[in-house]
Amino acid sequence: EDQVTQSPEALRLQEGESSSLNCSYTVSGLRGLFWYRQDPGKGPEFLFTLYSAGEEKEKERLKATLTKKESFLHITAPKPEDSATYLCAVRTYNNNDMRFGAGTRLTVKP
Amino acid sequence: DGGITQSPKYLFRKEGQNVTLSCEQNLNHDAMYWYRQDPGQGLRLIYYSQIVNDFQKGDIAEGYSVSREKKESFPLTVTSAQKNPTAFYLCASRKDAASYEQYFGPGTRLTVT
Repeated sequence: EDQVTQSPEALRLQEGESSSLNCSYTVSGLRGLFWYRQDPGKGPEFLFTLYSAGEEKEKERLKATLTKKESFLHITAPKPEDSATYLCAVRTYNNNDMRFGAGTRLTVKP
Repeated sequence: DGGITQSPKYLFRKEGQNVTLSCEQNLNHDAMYWYRQDPGQGLRLIYYSQIVNDFQKGDIAEGYSVSREKKESFPLTVTSAQKNPTAFYLCASRKDAASYEQYFGPGTRLTVT
């Protein structure tokens, strides 16, 4: 069965303190790995799609990377406005939907 | 502006009543999805539809029903058979078979007492 596990569950950083969020997956045939940002009480906002090991994508202070077993979302010099829950999801060759992890709740203190 | 709208934002119902959540998109996307989100859990798929007049059950379809009579609309009915309906419901759409990304609406928080 396809599984997606995100760690840590929660992460508190000081403004400017860089760190990484992890998304590990066990799937049969990865079609794509997706990162979303979700603010409280709102729908997830699409950030990145990664398709193959070694691929990297960047957007402002965020950089997503992919290996054969996991993906990292690196946050460089975060700001308080980066506080949100970050969701990871995978799509495989076996299904037409996405499997989501439980998310990492990031808090950035000024 | 193109996007996905869900209404209402908050919905309150008494136990035993059916309730319908609205989802409309003007992105001309082919596929639409309904997810349920509970605290501390990932999004779980309820139903999805890849074309008009066709839909498939997701992992937790019991107690829910959908219709897809128009490309832009995918309403979800939470029936009285759903044992624990209080949750945050999210609608999403995907452009076509060649695209994998899903785009989400703002969500509806349903409270059943």
